[in-house]
Amino acid sequence: QSVLTQPPSASGTPGQRVTISCSGSSSNIGSNNVYWYQQLPGTAPELLIYKNNQRPSGVPDRFSGSKSGTSGSLAISGLRSEDEADYYCAAWDDSLGGYVFGTGTKVTVL
Amino acid sequence: EVQLVESGGGLVQPGGSLRLSCAASGFTFSSYWMHWVRQVPGKGLLWVSRINSDGSNTDYADSVKGRFTISRDNDKNTLYLQMNSLRADDTAVYYCARPKEPALRNAMDVWGQGTTVTVSS
Repeated sequence: QSVLTQPPSASGTPGQRVTISCSGSSSNIGSNNVYWYQQLPGTAPELLIYKNNQRPSGVPDRFSGSKSGTSGSLAISGLRSEDEADYYCAAWDDSLGGYVFGTGTKVTVL
Repeated sequence: EVQLVESGGGLVQPGGSLRLSCAASGFTFSSYWMHWVRQVPGKGLLWVSRINSDGSNTDYADSVKGRFTISRDNDKNTLYLQMNSLRADDTAVYYCARPKEPALRNAMDVWGQGTTVTVSS
């Protein structure tokens, strides 16, 4: 079981805004950066957000990240069909001495 | 082109061993931390291990600690994962991954295509 909890699914119609939460604890999100990854079906994950709210070059500004206390959040605005994928949060956990991924959220574009 | 190519996966019996390799190209391999991440098909991502740029510092997930060993050969631009005492629940696709920048050790920005490990009798 992951120590980072995400909702199993989220959905929206094209153009809508979808938000995914990532709940952790003081030993991971509370004291370290949050990362977000997108995984399209049959492909390797892709880094979407690093250091809580930074976007790598090439990632559309429709994707934004934030962190508050022991929780992180990923927002997708202007939802598009190509955003249909699995999304994972991640953080270093000081108690475990390891990197932990969230449980994953499947985003469906209706 | 920055590229990571994993190899070494296959079918192995419970209790057996396997060594995965990850060949890096297109960047200064010796400057980066490197990671292994695995995924059971249809399931979530699980971080396995990481190693610092010169190989002097390693970390492992509790589920593989004492059984798996991460290492690297910077002269050969290759990352390794030695897996011993394999169990059925080690069955997964194994990815190697590189951070976005040398200083961002945990922002995995470049991923290989994955190699499949199946542990079964």
